[in-house]
Amino acid sequence: AQRVTQPEKLLSVFKGAPVELKCNYSYSGSPELFWYVQYSRQRLQLLLRHISRESIKGFTADLNKGETSFHLKKPFAQEEDSAMYYCALSGGATNKLIFGTGTLLAVQP
Amino acid sequence: DAGVIQSPRHEVTEMGQEVTLRCKPISGHDYLFWYRQTMMRGLELLIYFNNNVPIDDSGMPEDRFSAKMPNASFSTLKIQPSEPRDSAVYFCASSRPTAGRMGNSPLHFGNGTRLTVT
Repeated sequence: AQRVTQPEKLLSVFKGAPVELKCNYSYSGSPELFWYVQYSRQRLQLLLRHISRESIKGFTADLNKGETSFHLKKPFAQEEDSAMYYCALSGGATNKLIFGTGTLLAVQP
Repeated sequence: DAGVIQSPRHEVTEMGQEVTLRCKPISGHDYLFWYRQTMMRGLELLIYFNNNVPIDDSGMPEDRFSAKMPNASFSTLKIQPSEPRDSAVYFCASSRPTAGRMGNSPLHFGNGTRLTVT
């Protein structure tokens, strides 16, 4: 069965501190992993995807198939990074996305 | 492009009433998804369509929930009768077909409908 686990509901850090939002998944095939972000009063939007291997707004995420993880990292958090972050998994050719329960990142000044 | 459009933005209704949520996907997108967002369970996939055909409705919680997509530019999610535990934010999203080796297409979300059932 497809499953995405985000163990932290809330992560609070100070500005300038490193951030790591954890995501683990369960999938029998070769998954595609995504991070979506929802800023206050804005719609949910794609932040990055593992297939692109790019850094967006200073965030990176590496797919670790051995640990079945796709943790989101940023070396220095900014206040504008405060938002709800969702890890998501897609398998096969259906475009169907399964989301984790989300982690609220709060960056304190 | 205005993106995915959902209506209404807010809906407050009494228990037992019928609720209809509406969605207009982005033109040219073949996939349409309905998600429910709650604090406890995050984003749950309720149902999704491909080319107006329901593909997977295993996430629909009960028979009280139904969804239709009569054409490529419109979908509805209906709850009848509504109950207080249905209170949540309901999101519609659409995406292009999968792009082969480029991977699955990202989802584009609407602003959501915040439903409150009293």
